[in-house]
Amino acid sequence: QKEVEQDPGPLSVPEGAIVSLNCTYSNSAFQYFMWYRQYSRKGPELLMYTYSSGNKEDGRFTAQVDKSSKYISLFIRDSQPSDSATYLCAMKWSGGSYIPTFGRGTSLIVHP
Amino acid sequence: DGGITQSPKYLFRKEGQNVTLSCEQNLNHDAMYWYRQDPGQGLRLIYYSQIVNDFQKGDIAEGYSVSREKKESFPLTVTSAQKNPTAFYLCASSIGARTGGAMETGYTFGSGTRLTVV
Repeated sequence: QKEVEQDPGPLSVPEGAIVSLNCTYSNSAFQYFMWYRQYSRKGPELLMYTYSSGNKEDGRFTAQVDKSSKYISLFIRDSQPSDSATYLCAMKWSGGSYIPTFGRGTSLIVHP
Repeated sequence: DGGITQSPKYLFRKEGQNVTLSCEQNLNHDAMYWYRQDPGQGLRLIYYSQIVNDFQKGDIAEGYSVSREKKESFPLTVTSAQKNPTAFYLCASSIGARTGGAMETGYTFGSGTRLTVV
């Protein structure tokens, strides 16, 4: 079992839909949780960062962490075609190496 | 503007050749990383460096080599020992653990180099 599981998709939704992207993990020591967005043939860019549990909101994006279930989510409201990209989750624990563990990424397609 | 520059964008390698991928950053970041990205496999860590003149192997270092002679530069050489080098290579940098804030700021990635064996 991989430490971080993420459904690769693709996830296809109509413009304006609410999108839910998810990752599960097995290492209960993970404390830092990140979401990256990667457009085709580009490098990933950091979208959201969350420490420990709870929600964090930034515009149309909300990151949610449920440590009891070892489950993190990224919600996108009023999705736009420009949101079409691959979304990677990443996480790390507070001690030791600061190298994060990445999920495989979920491909999102928002069609007009 | 600060950022990471990877070059070339596309690279073709013949069998038995060594090739070097360039990565330069002007963010004053201490730490730099090389990842390989294959379809359906996510990001796999090749090498990383926390400070000049020091680097560590990642999960898939075999067939690769790096150097870190300057803070700004972290070139990756794909040697002929790497049997399946066709992939998308990403360089990244971060503030680094000792200065703190590595996770809050996350990684800054370059635009990648697509390497193809011909």
